Order: sequence, then C-alpha cells, then structure tokens
Amino acid sequence: EPEVTQTPSHQVTQMGQEVILRCVPISNHLYFYWYRQILGQKVEFLVSFYNNEISEKSEIFDDQFSVERPDGSNFTLKIRSTKLEDSAMYFCASSRTGPQPQHFGDGTRLSIL
Amino acid sequence: GQQVMQIPQYQHVQEGEDFTTYCNSSTTLSNIQWYKQRPGGHPVFLIQLVKSGEVKKQKRLTFQFGEAKKNSSLHITATQTTDVGTYFCAAILLTDSWGKFQFGAGTQVVVTP
Repeated sequence: EPEVTQTPSHQVTQMGQEVILRCVPISNHLYFYWYRQILGQKVEFLVSFYNNEISEKSEIFDDQFSVERPDGSNFTLKIRSTKLEDSAMYFCASSRTGPQPQHFGDGTRLSIL
Repeated sequence: GQQVMQIPQYQHVQEGEDFTTYCNSSTTLSNIQWYKQRPGGHPVFLIQLVKSGEVKKQKRLTFQFGEAKKNSSLHITATQTTDVGTYFCAAILLTDSWGKFQFGAGTQVVVTP
C-alpha cells in the first residue's frame, strides 16, 4: 500500500537555525498538509496546500514557516529561525481530493536545543 | 480558542466493556473525520462523516454525526486490547474551507485484560 514518507525521522537543531523537513506524499494525491504534535498533546493543523499554493494556514504558521513543492514528488516545510517551542513531532499528510481520508507519514521529531 | 472539544480526555476500560468518546463544537461543522493513533505512531484514518444524523459502523465501532452537525461520537463495543490508543476527531468548520482540519484533544484509551 502506498505510504507518505518523511525524512529525517529525527532532527536536532540549534535554536535560531533553519530547518527543512521533507515529505514525499502518495503519488496520485493532490492535497498536502503539515501538522505538529507536541509530546502528549493534540495534533495541530499548520497548513494545507493544493495546486502549488497554500489553501489554508493556522495562526501557528507565521512568517517563520514556509512550504514548498520543489518538484513533482517532494513537499517541504521550512522553519527559518527555530525556537525552543518549535520542538515537536511534525506530521505530513496527503489526500487524493479535498475532504478525503488523510494519509499520515511517520513524522519527523524536531528537537531544538 | 478551542473550536473542537473532545471528551473524555482519558478512558480506562476493562476488556469486554463498551465506551464512547464525544466531539463537540459550538460551530456547525461541514464534515468530521476520526483517527486512531497508537503510542509512538501516526494518526490513522478511521471514518469520515458528512451528512446530518449520519451513522456508520465498522465492526465494533459505531460513528455518529449529530443532527445539527455540531457533535459526533465514536462508540466501541466489547473493547479489546488492540483498541489501545488515542482517538482523535478532526473537523472542518462550516466557516472554513476544506483544507483546515481542527483536531480535538483526543481520548486516550487504556484497556486492561
């Protein structure tokens, strides 16, 4: 069964540094999402992306965050200047169409020191 | 503020018992999805509800969408140890576009044999 893949599985970064989290959505899916989950807490929506542009974003997704689909397969989340409170598990998800089942990747655990 | 409330936060059940988790919103929802997340894992899609009053069943799981489309429930009968995990609802508010899913805080389920 096709999967969403995320790399790296764990990223450790110094505060203030830029970080790029990578995702390869399922190949025939058109809608992509980023979520974060602080340890032991709920899943928080960051951004949705369709047709090479952002569809929706949350209040968390401020100017420090950006997303890109640099080629036909990758979907990336960049955090420009990381803060301690950015430490969390970041999940990428994709769906074939809009309000359809979302398939989640295994996540990238981001640790900011 | 929190748009989608989920209760209870924690549910401890004996194997064989039934339990229900509820998702409530003060705002009308356009649709709602339910996910299960095992410890250390990623959310896995269970079901999507779209219509007012909709009821869907998956073996021992029964999902319901309220008539006013402001609440939803997941009822599990004859709980098994494999039901362990956190169950999240994820909803789109009628006032938001398709791409913005609001997750509830989740119900963490522990099953004792």
